[in-house]
This record gives sequence, structure tokens and C-alpha cells, in this order.
Amino acid sequence: AQSVSQHNHHVILSEAASLELGCNYSYGGTVNLFWYVQYPGQHLQLLLKYFSGDPLVKGIKGFEAEFIKSKFSFNLRKPSVQWSDTAEYFCAVNAGNTDKLIFGTGTRLQVFP
Amino acid sequence: DAGVIQSPRHEVTEMGQEVTLRCKPISGHDYLFWYRQTMMRGLELLIYFNNNVPIDDSGMPEDRFSAKMPNASFSTLKIQPSEPRDSAVYFCASSLTTSPADTQYFGPGTRLTVL
Repeated sequence: AQSVSQHNHHVILSEAASLELGCNYSYGGTVNLFWYVQYPGQHLQLLLKYFSGDPLVKGIKGFEAEFIKSKFSFNLRKPSVQWSDTAEYFCAVNAGNTDKLIFGTGTRLQVFP
Repeated sequence: DAGVIQSPRHEVTEMGQEVTLRCKPISGHDYLFWYRQTMMRGLELLIYFNNNVPIDDSGMPEDRFSAKMPNASFSTLKIQPSEPRDSAVYFCASSLTTSPADTQYFGPGTRLTVL
């Protein structure tokens, strides 16, 4: 069965620090990968996604993620975080032959000014 | 478009009571998903529909949970009887297809508290 692991449960950073959130998945075939973000009091929204082509994907608000097939990873990065990036971040995977998104347990990011 | 609409936004009920959560997907979207979010388990898919037909309900925790989609613009998730461990945020999402090129759009969620 597919699964998604997000090892960082809670990350605390100061503004301007660099961010990298880990995401690993377990599935050997074709996958589609997503990062969703949930700002405080808001619903989940798509940050970025990968389904083919360039493994380095750029999303909204300066976020990017790199798909490394050999490591089964899809880590999220941002060179310089802002206070407004405080949110919960969810990695999700969809295997090529299913309709379902499998989500990780999420990483809570707190950015202090 | 108003996006995915869920009601109520908050529900507080007592153990043993019936709870009904409602969802209106984005018009034209053929897929509707129900998720549950808890601190311990994160975001779990409960059930999803395609063209009003339930496709996979393997995530529904037990028989106390049921979901229906009587038409393309409305779905309900019912818990009967409710228990304190059902306390969670329940999200509804919809998408045009399940192609990775299409995004799942989430509603604001219903925060359920069972006392």
C-alpha cells in the first residue's frame, strides 16, 4: 500500500531562514506528488505538484520541490521564509493507477519575526 | 465560483446523537472526496464518489459512518451514533477528474466535537 512520511512534525524558524521539509513515499511505480498548505483558519490549498517533466517544480509564494526518484522523495524548499508562511504543510502522493491522494501527517511550520 | 461549500462549520453534539455533515462541490466537478483530519492520524480519505457513485469507501472507519451523494451538487456524511473519538475536522473536496493535472479543491471543513 502507498504511504507518505513527513518526518518533521513541527518546525520553528526565524524570518529569512531557509526551509526544507522532508517527504518520502513508498511506491515503486509512476507517482504524482503534491504539496498542500493549510494557513491558520483556512482550508487546504495546492502549493505545487509534480506529474511529469522537470523534477524541480516551482509553486506559489516562492516555494519549490524536487522529485528525486531514486530516494523516493519530494522535499519542499523555500530559500527565505516569511512570517506569513506559518501554516501546516501536507505532502501527498497518488500512484499512477489509482484515483486517491494519500496524505502525510503534515508538518506544522512556525515562523517568528 | 464559490468554491466547495460545507455546512455546518462547527458542530458540537453529545455522544450517541446523529450528526450530518453537508457538502456542495464545485459545479461541474465529477469527483467528490470526504476526508477526516485529526492530530494523531493527519488527513485520511474516508470515501470518494465519481458521478454520484461511491467508488471507494475503504477509509470509512466503521458502520456508524455513511455517506451519500443523491445528486451532482450535494453530498452528506452521517455519523450515527456519534462517539467522542469522532471529534475531528471533516473536509470535503472536489475535482474535475482524478488526473494529476487537475487539482482537488477543498472546502473550509466542519469542526466536529462530540462530548
